[in-house]
Amino acid sequence: DTGVSQDPRHKITKRGQNVTFRCDPISEHNRLYWYRQTLGQGPEFLTYFQNEAQLEKSRLLSDRFSAERPKGSFSTLEIQRTEQGDSAMYLCASSKNRVSYEKLFFGSGTQLSVL
Amino acid sequence: AQSVTQPDIHITVSEGASLELRCNYSYGATPYLFWYVQSPGQGLQLLLKYFSGDTLVQGIKGFEAEFKRSQSSFNLRKPSVHWSDAAEYFCAVGYYSGNTPLVFGKGTRLSVIA
Repeated sequence: DTGVSQDPRHKITKRGQNVTFRCDPISEHNRLYWYRQTLGQGPEFLTYFQNEAQLEKSRLLSDRFSAERPKGSFSTLEIQRTEQGDSAMYLCASSKNRVSYEKLFFGSGTQLSVL
Repeated sequence: AQSVTQPDIHITVSEGASLELRCNYSYGATPYLFWYVQSPGQGLQLLLKYFSGDTLVQGIKGFEAEFKRSQSSFNLRKPSVHWSDAAEYFCAVGYYSGNTPLVFGKGTRLSVIA
């Protein structure tokens, strides 16, 4: 069990550029969540997957954001035409159980800075 | 919709003193309640959780929390704080079914002074 892995740890980009983050969940975890955390705030839900199916998306996930989990394993989160307001920590979490909160593991996050 | 309120943005305690972090939730059904801790630049680590049964739950690192349905609260406590406890603490609530994502409070930052 190697934990939830996120890459990169830090990303600095210029406004208007596209960025992509990757999350590798714990092996055999079928649920994968993306959260966004801005300074001074708690994590806010963005979207989640059950295997490869994206089951729910928050209204925070504007049309510039897209997430995929093509084979039900790793997931990517892409932000197009980044804005300064996108600067945040992007957290990924995964779980296996049906009552998925019981064993929900978070990665260390990707810190995005948009200049 | 469910929500979580952590009234204290920042708390400072002396090392060795007791600690209580407040959490109130708004929810229509029996909630699943959690406390997470986050150190700078790190992900979230689960301290403890409440699903049902005994309303006083024990967690890691000497933390405990008490669920009080009448007050819609789930306060986190520790009898003696260590300098290494300085971090951000988040309370979260979820549905029994587990089919909806956790909702987090805005967090309480804990500072520990000598």
